[in-house]
Amino acid sequence: AQTVTQSQPEMSVQEAETVTLSCTYDTSENNYYLFWYKQPPSRQMILVIRQEAYKQQNATENRFSVNFQKAAKSFSLKISDSQLGDTAMYFCAFMNRQGGSEKLVFGKGTKLTVNP
Amino acid sequence: DAGVIQSPRHEVTEMGQEVTLRCKPISGHDYLFWYRQTMMRGLELLIYFNNNVPIDDSGMPEDRFSAKMPNASFSTLKIQPSEPRDSAVYFCASSNVRGATNEKLFFGSGTQLSVL
Repeated sequence: AQTVTQSQPEMSVQEAETVTLSCTYDTSENNYYLFWYKQPPSRQMILVIRQEAYKQQNATENRFSVNFQKAAKSFSLKISDSQLGDTAMYFCAFMNRQGGSEKLVFGKGTKLTVNP
Repeated sequence: DAGVIQSPRHEVTEMGQEVTLRCKPISGHDYLFWYRQTMMRGLELLIYFNNNVPIDDSGMPEDRFSAKMPNASFSTLKIQPSEPRDSAVYFCASSNVRGATNEKLFFGSGTQLSVL
């Protein structure tokens, strides 16, 4: 079974600075997707960024980028120029694309606080 | 589109009562997922459907939990009888993952369940 580990339960960063959230996963599959979701206090789950395992290029979305290390099974999220609105829980998630399984497996989350 | 719609947003009930959570997925999506979120266990997949058929219910905690999807636009998650340990946020999510080039889950706002 696939597992996703987020080793940082909580992190904080000063506004305008850069922060990196860690995520590792365990799988024997070769074709899969990785995601970072943001959950602000409103409770809504918001997709931040998505990475396809077969693509070597790291995904980027404005201030958000990932460092995808397939061999190390690592998928960290970098937030540049942190903003107060980035304060939220961040969840790393894995989806296997083989074997007909479409389910998303989540890590336990990292609570990020951006300080003014 | 209004997105994934869940009701109720909050539910408070007493131990032993039946609870029914409802979900309307995004029109055209053929996958529907039920997740449970707690502080201790994070986001756990309970069950998911494809074209109204349950595919994987291995995450359903016990026989007190049941889920149905009578048609493409409606699903329910029922707990009978409810217990205090069922208190959590229950999310419904939908997607049209299979064959899509932009796989991602769209989440509802969740139902906060409190069992007293």
